Amino acid sequence: GAGVSQSPRYKVAKRGQDVALRCDPISGHVSLFWYQQALGQGPEFLTYFQNEAQLDKSGLPSDRFFAERPEGSVSTLKIQRTQQEDSAVYLCASSLRGAGGRETQYFGPGTRLLVL
Amino acid sequence: AQSVTQPDIHITVSEGASLELRCNYSYGATPYLFWYVQSPGQGLQLLLKYFSGDTLVQGIKGFEAEFKRSQSSFNLRKPSVHWSDAAEYFCAVARNQAGTALIFGKGTTLSVSS
Repeated sequence: GAGVSQSPRYKVAKRGQDVALRCDPISGHVSLFWYQQALGQGPEFLTYFQNEAQLDKSGLPSDRFFAERPEGSVSTLKIQRTQQEDSAVYLCASSLRGAGGRETQYFGPGTRLLVL
Repeated sequence: AQSVTQPDIHITVSEGASLELRCNYSYGATPYLFWYVQSPGQGLQLLLKYFSGDTLVQGIKGFEAEFKRSQSSFNLRKPSVHWSDAAEYFCAVARNQAGTALIFGKGTTLSVSS
């Protein structure tokens, strides 16, 4: 595809369930980012990959959040034992090259997670 | 710590009128600044970015922004708003020169009245 895709687009989970959110970056993009956007707020950084290496996970809110990108392309964000405060839109972004402030991040449409 | 403030939560502008969305940043060195737009159900789309050089940057869809170091501002402008510009607008700054993360403001919702 031409852009970043994410699946599922919507996910409803019962509190305590585990969820997995998928991101397909733009083909050939080295860097991949995950952000969390709560209702009425701007996106907040969760984690960053350069190829398959997770170079920054400083934004992950707890050890229930785990991300991987095993082959340097598709990434999965996993949330274990979901809680209501995890309800948010999870955005994935990719950029062509490695880390660099000048790099444009291209965003996917997001996965809207609702935890009941 | 770096931060971005968008003072206006919601702005309504008449179609055809000019627009200015405010953004103030806190950053120690020369910042890398971005404006994104988000339409309902859509991802964030980059409007424009500033790294260095000319302080007036042009973007897509007729938008421009001016970097003012003395005021720590990066305001977004458009001379004539179209109804299709109604969306949420986010200002962001790269967290550091390595740019591993963007720090976003809380956004400004733009409504366009006819």
